[in-house]
Amino acid sequence: EIVLTQSPGTLSLSPGERATLSCRASQSVSSSYLVWYQQKLGQAPRLLIYGASIRATGVPDRFSGSGSGTDFILTISRLEPEDFAVYYCQQYGSSPRYSFGQGTKLEMK
Amino acid sequence: EVQLVESGGGLIQPGGSLRLSCAASGFNFNPYSMNWVRQAPGKGLEWISYIDGSSSAIYYADSVKGRFTTSRDNARKFVYLQMNNVRAEDTAIYYCARDVADCASGPCYEIRFDFWGQGTLVTVSS
Repeated sequence: EIVLTQSPGTLSLSPGERATLSCRASQSVSSSYLVWYQQKLGQAPRLLIYGASIRATGVPDRFSGSGSGTDFILTISRLEPEDFAVYYCQQYGSSPRYSFGQGTKLEMK
Repeated sequence: EVQLVESGGGLIQPGGSLRLSCAASGFNFNPYSMNWVRQAPGKGLEWISYIDGSSSAIYYADSVKGRFTTSRDNARKFVYLQMNNVRAEDTAIYYCARDVADCASGPCYEIRFDFWGQGTLVTVSS
């Protein structure tokens, strides 16, 4: 079973700053199978990045994903007020079929 | 417009049963695999079940295997989650999510959940 560990647990930043969120896998994950979601309070998750680096439709270009193997990064280049949310990484594997990281809460300083 | 609408949640006693529904609209439902994902109060996301378009492949997380059953009705464009022998730890918001991937060249790549419903809350308590 592949375990995804996200860090930090909470990130406190101000609008305009750069955010770097980490997702580390316990075993190598194909980049094709690494996904990032954003979840705002009281809402369903929203697809942000898939294939480790492909922005989903309508996602602003301040969001970018990178990484390979066991280390993946979600970067938000300049934070907007609406970006403060919880971010989850997810991977597709064999058993279980899917797993999520525990999430990183991005909060406004 | 793609829409997924869950229903059927509520308060249920431990050991009881409940069936959740997810109504799909705005897309050709049949080819798409679907998933159930849950989120306990204040906690993260937990994938619990997958069903492919023809119901020939169904998978479960260990936490629900043997207690929950996923099915679908392509004619009516519904996915269901039958929850039996529920426990307190099954208390969560349950989301259905559409599963998409690029399978044009054989193996599927870039698998992701591109649309989610708003969720339905299940509370297990006596």
